[in-house]
Amino acid sequence: AQRVTQPEKLLSVFKGAPVELKCNYSYSGSPELFWYVQYSRQRLQLLLRHISRESIKGFTADLNKGETSFHLKKPFAQEEDSAMYYCVLADRGSTLGRLYFGRGTQLTVWP
Amino acid sequence: NAGVTQTPKFQVLKTGQSMTLQCAQDMNHEYMSWYRQDPGMGLRLIHYSVGAGITDQGEVPNGYNVSRSTTEDFPLRLLSAAPSQTSVYFCASSPGLAGGGSSYNEQFFGPGTRLTVL
Repeated sequence: AQRVTQPEKLLSVFKGAPVELKCNYSYSGSPELFWYVQYSRQRLQLLLRHISRESIKGFTADLNKGETSFHLKKPFAQEEDSAMYYCVLADRGSTLGRLYFGRGTQLTVWP
Repeated sequence: NAGVTQTPKFQVLKTGQSMTLQCAQDMNHEYMSWYRQDPGMGLRLIHYSVGAGITDQGEVPNGYNVSRSTTEDFPLRLLSAAPSQTSVYFCASSPGLAGGGSSYNEQFFGPGTRLTVL
């Protein structure tokens, strides 16, 4: 069963517009969730994790356990935000805490 | 630090050939893993290791073997390549799965190997 769902494969916005990348998860325990980002020709890297409650590059994400969601938001998108974004769940239920990746959302920010 | 390195960057194989994808890290990380990235599928875990001499299967292990003789290296072997193994392969490492504050440590990814099996 898919544990992480990113419903949008592609998302396009104009520079300065708000952006929200959706992520829903399925997990019976207490999840730990992350957003990873892959910019063009760069390595996959951690953007933020829910447990830190921090804002990175203007992005925030709040864990909503009632809606089982972890949407990534930014009030004013920039062209340099164009990238592939992955929502990731850490499975504390398994012996070694495996990571489950969503299918990714390709964000394009137009000038 | 070079971080996580992978070789080769590109590889083309014929069906039935075998090869080894190399992965090395110089951060003294205990945990290493291999993922494959396919369009529309995200990243799927192939194999992982929690330390030298210890490996286990991930989500899609069939057709792949791994070993971990040192902390630094975690090679991935394709035993008999098939077109279904055409993919981009990523190696990742982290100090361990759980860090301070019960948080999972950041995974550091290599640049990837693009493999085509004809």
